[in-house]
Amino acid sequence: DAKTTQPNSMESNEEEPVHLPCNHSTISGTDYIHWYRQLPSQGPEYVIHGLTSNVNNRMASLAIAEDRKSSTLILHRATLRDAAVYYCILRDARGGSNYKLTFGKGTLLTVNP
Amino acid sequence: NAGVTQTPKFRILKIGQSMTLQCAQDMNHNYMYWYRQDPGMGLKLIYYSVGAGITDKGEVPNGYNVSRSTTEDFPLRLELAAPSQTSVYFCASSYSSTDRSYEQYFGPGTRLTVT
Repeated sequence: DAKTTQPNSMESNEEEPVHLPCNHSTISGTDYIHWYRQLPSQGPEYVIHGLTSNVNNRMASLAIAEDRKSSTLILHRATLRDAAVYYCILRDARGGSNYKLTFGKGTLLTVNP
Repeated sequence: NAGVTQTPKFRILKIGQSMTLQCAQDMNHNYMYWYRQDPGMGLKLIYYSVGAGITDKGEVPNGYNVSRSTTEDFPLRLELAAPSQTSVYFCASSYSSTDRSYEQYFGPGTRLTVT
């Protein structure tokens, strides 16, 4: 599986935008980029995913570099509830196991009031 | 919908005991998964299933067994519990979505301690 690299931790202030980076220099053409987050003492939850184009949903935006070797999850206005571990995951869309995810350690986001 | 439910929430086992972690989903998802999460680490896949009657090993299957007799239920069996199985266990489910997200829905987890 292609690997991702994320900072161990980041801090932000409430109501400010947050840009969470992810490097995936060995990404293949069939890898989707997924982001999940895990709030304290909860299971992970889906945030967003994309393939080549930037994506927006009610939770966040995903900006994908033109060469696809990196991506950035953007939280437009951080709230205290956004404090969580954020996982950037590549999912291979080929073959019979295209539904599986491999979680790394993620980025621990701290939001200061 | 209740989503993905897991029981129990907490359990303490003695070394060598056995137990079954229960997982159920009411979303008619065909894919189901069991993960474990050790402190400060990401999730590791134990077993998964693509439908009733079909299961397969994930990254860390040793010491565990699963079955999938119905679409809704996917129990995880621990035989001869060991301290190394102390962890938080998450069950998840997903389906073949038209947006190709295969979004996984997670349960609240079971915190297991083996002493």
